[in-house]
This record gives sequence, C-alpha cells and structure tokens, in this order.
Amino acid sequence: DTGVSQDPRHKITKRGQNVTFRCDPISEHNRLYWYRQTLGQGPEFLTYFQNEAQLEKSRLLSDRFSAERPKGSFSTLEIQRTEQGDSAMYLCASSLEIPEAFFGQGTRLTVV
Amino acid sequence: AQKVTQAQTEISVVEKEDVTLDCVYETRDTTYYLFWYKQPPSGELVFLIRRNSFDEQNEISGRYSWNFQKSTSSFNFTITASQVVDSAVYFCALSEYSNSGYALNFGKGTSLLVTP
Repeated sequence: DTGVSQDPRHKITKRGQNVTFRCDPISEHNRLYWYRQTLGQGPEFLTYFQNEAQLEKSRLLSDRFSAERPKGSFSTLEIQRTEQGDSAMYLCASSLEIPEAFFGQGTRLTVV
Repeated sequence: AQKVTQAQTEISVVEKEDVTLDCVYETRDTTYYLFWYKQPPSGELVFLIRRNSFDEQNEISGRYSWNFQKSTSSFNFTITASQVVDSAVYFCALSEYSNSGYALNFGKGTSLLVTP
C-alpha cells in the first residue's frame, strides 16, 4: 500500500469518552500533519510532526487533544473527554521535504 | 485573517457546460505554493495540482485548466465540458513555509453540482 491510511474510518462515541485515531503515513515521508474539517468548512491545521518531533500545534488543539508519532512512523491523535463540538472529520497527511500533501481518507467522529 | 478566499459557495451547472472556480489568496511571502483539491462525497481529499509562486504558466490537464495570476493573487480552476462525476467540493489551498512546516491553509471550498 503506497497511500496514507487512517483508522478507523468512522467512530461514534458518547460524550465524555476518550477516542484515539491512528494514521499510517507513506513510509518514507518524514512530515506528518493532522487537520480537522467540520461541516461546510475547509480542513484546518491541528498539528505537525517532523520525524518523531511534534514541532507545532494549532490553538485549535485544546488540552484534551494529544498527538504522538513514536519513532517517526505512525501517528496517533487522542481526544479525551469528548464533547459534541469535537464531531468532525479528522484528516492526516504526509509529505517529504517538498511542499505537497497526500491525505488519508479521514476518520469521521460523531460525538453523541 | 482568511488567507484563501473562495467566494463561490455553490455552483450548479448542466453537463457539458464549462465552469470556473475562483480562488484568491493572501500572502506576504515571495515563496509559496498553491493547491487545488477535490473532495467527493466519500470525503477523501484528492490532489489535483500544485503550483509554486515562481511558475505562472497556466496548466492544462485533460478537461482541467488552471490560471495563476500573481498580479491579482488569483489561482482559478476551470473545468471544460463538465461531467456528472465532477460533482464534488473543490478546495483551494495556500502553503507557506513556517513553524508548521508546509501546512496548508484551505479556503472554505466551492460545492459544484453537475446535473445531467
């Protein structure tokens, strides 16, 4: 598989529960990005990894959100104590040094 | 401030019509990159094109063409002889190198509906 893979594709959770999403980037890509897309909007940047280092976090990423990229390979995005406002599509993208972005199919989160 | 503006929220055309999607961007950098993505109902973002700020040549790929004009900060996308399969949301995006790497700033998208 040569594309970006995200798991799960869909997640329905009750308010207050914790959820974790996984992103497997294209294997040789050292840069990894998480975005969030709400209905009717374009994707918005959440956080950026270069290899295993998390270099930037958007102010959209509240304290309930945490992301990791151990060993510079796959990445996880965890949301603690989910709220209805967290309902969105969470997109992962990866790239090499040049500015390009290959996106995964996204994880659609619904908080009920 | 919105860095990428897609003023057209929704466009509806009849199959075989030509349609142009507008994109206006804002940046102070001299080096930047512009993108177009297609998002069908399945939700995946499909990469269409990337242009860098030093290359103002227009590009044509099949029924798709792009017009990049730095003088007006615009990067418009035209679909010739539209087809029903072109129905999707189209996003224009800007990338400038920063602490966020080459993170993309997306516009709000233009929803295109092509009817038979």
